[in-house]
Amino acid sequence: DADVTQTPRNRITKTGKRIMLECSQTKGHDRMYWYRQDPGLGLRLIYYSFDVKDINKGEISDGYSVSRQAQAKFSLSLESAIPNQTALYFCATSDRGGSTDTQYFGPGTRLTVL
Amino acid sequence: RKEVEQDPGPFNVPEGATVAFNCTYSNSASQSFFWYRQDCRKEPKLLMSVYSSGNEDGRFTAQLNRASQYISLLIRDSKLSDSATYLCVVLPGSGGYNKLIFGAGTRLAVHP
Repeated sequence: DADVTQTPRNRITKTGKRIMLECSQTKGHDRMYWYRQDPGLGLRLIYYSFDVKDINKGEISDGYSVSRQAQAKFSLSLESAIPNQTALYFCATSDRGGSTDTQYFGPGTRLTVL
Repeated sequence: RKEVEQDPGPFNVPEGATVAFNCTYSNSASQSFFWYRQDCRKEPKLLMSVYSSGNEDGRFTAQLNRASQYISLLIRDSKLSDSATYLCVVLPGSGGYNKLIFGAGTRLAVHP
């Protein structure tokens, strides 16, 4: 079984709809992240969380919110989806930060906003 | 200027060829460097870390040049299975949480 799972894997929605993307991990890591990937751009950090009570904005948090329901679960919400939020979204985990930080990614959620 | 820049490619090479990618970074205080591999429509996975002294893992060699602020990845004896996008990733050295900075990737296509 995969260590980091994301649901749904694909989603098509309409402008203005509220969408939730879910991430679960069995790696026992404290740190979790949400990224988006767009063609021609590197992965960009949306939000990150170092433990259940810790939530931090990344470089592109506008239009998104997150919830860390448990150590193993980190959800990303789009309150009112817009077409430029069409992207590939990845959840990732890591055991610790610093120079030894290795991030483990989920399989991604392909989101299309019409 | 982007914080991490890569040639997007694609690099089209025959099996058995040697191919090299470079990546430049803008923050001279960057601490750590990595290469991730991403297959089409899949998640990125760590390929290797890049150390100041250079490091090798089988057919893959990574080097760091701090003076010129670039890192490189050399792949020898290319295999069809090496076809993927290679992401250059940098950990900046500024204060607070140092988030990883991802390049947009270099695409490699190995053909028979």
